[in-house]
Amino acid sequence: GIQVEQSPPDLILQEGANSTLRCNFSDSVNNLQWFHQNPWGQLINLFYIPSGTKQNGRLSATTVATERYSLLYISSSQTTDSGVYFCAVEGTGGFKTIFGAGTRLFVKA
Amino acid sequence: NAGVTQTPKFQVLKTGQSMTLQCAQDMNHEYMSWYRQDPGMGLRLIHYSVGAGITDQGEVPNGYNVSRSTTEDFPLRLLSAAPSQTSVYFCASSRSGGAGTDTQYFGPGTRLTVL
Repeated sequence: GIQVEQSPPDLILQEGANSTLRCNFSDSVNNLQWFHQNPWGQLINLFYIPSGTKQNGRLSATTVATERYSLLYISSSQTTDSGVYFCAVEGTGGFKTIFGAGTRLFVKA
Repeated sequence: NAGVTQTPKFQVLKTGQSMTLQCAQDMNHEYMSWYRQDPGMGLRLIHYSVGAGITDQGEVPNGYNVSRSTTEDFPLRLLSAAPSQTSVYFCASSRSGGAGTDTQYFGPGTRLTVL
């Protein structure tokens, strides 16, 4: 099955700093999603991005499907950005979503 | 819209007991799924459904049963709980995007401990 690798595994930022999270996947995918799991455990969908670039406020994401990677950019980080960021992909067979192990982000005030 | 709801929020079972985790959504989504999340790990797919009456296995289906009699509800049953099933369980739903899913929306999770 598809392998999903996220890097870095852990990241500590000073408030106001920018960061880039990476997701590599091993095979062609139907779709790719980025999620944020907050410290209370709630999972929030950030982007549905099988290809191309999207922006939502301070967050943006780019997926280059032909090269099998996606990037999540966080600009001007805030303490509320802390939590775990997951990349999840669905292979071309459809309907079976595979999650990466996540990037754990801590933003210091 | 309540979105995706899960009950209970917390549950403690003894080995060998059975129970059902409830999941409901009010967005008329065709696709629903169950995941488990173990400490420090990503989510792993247990079972999924692409519509009422249709279910299939995910990555880690052993020890779990599902059925989908309505569009809204997708319960997960543990027939004989084992300590290895101690985990946080998430339910999710989405529209079906033809060949696969669309944006997935998650419930708040059920924290299950099996003693």
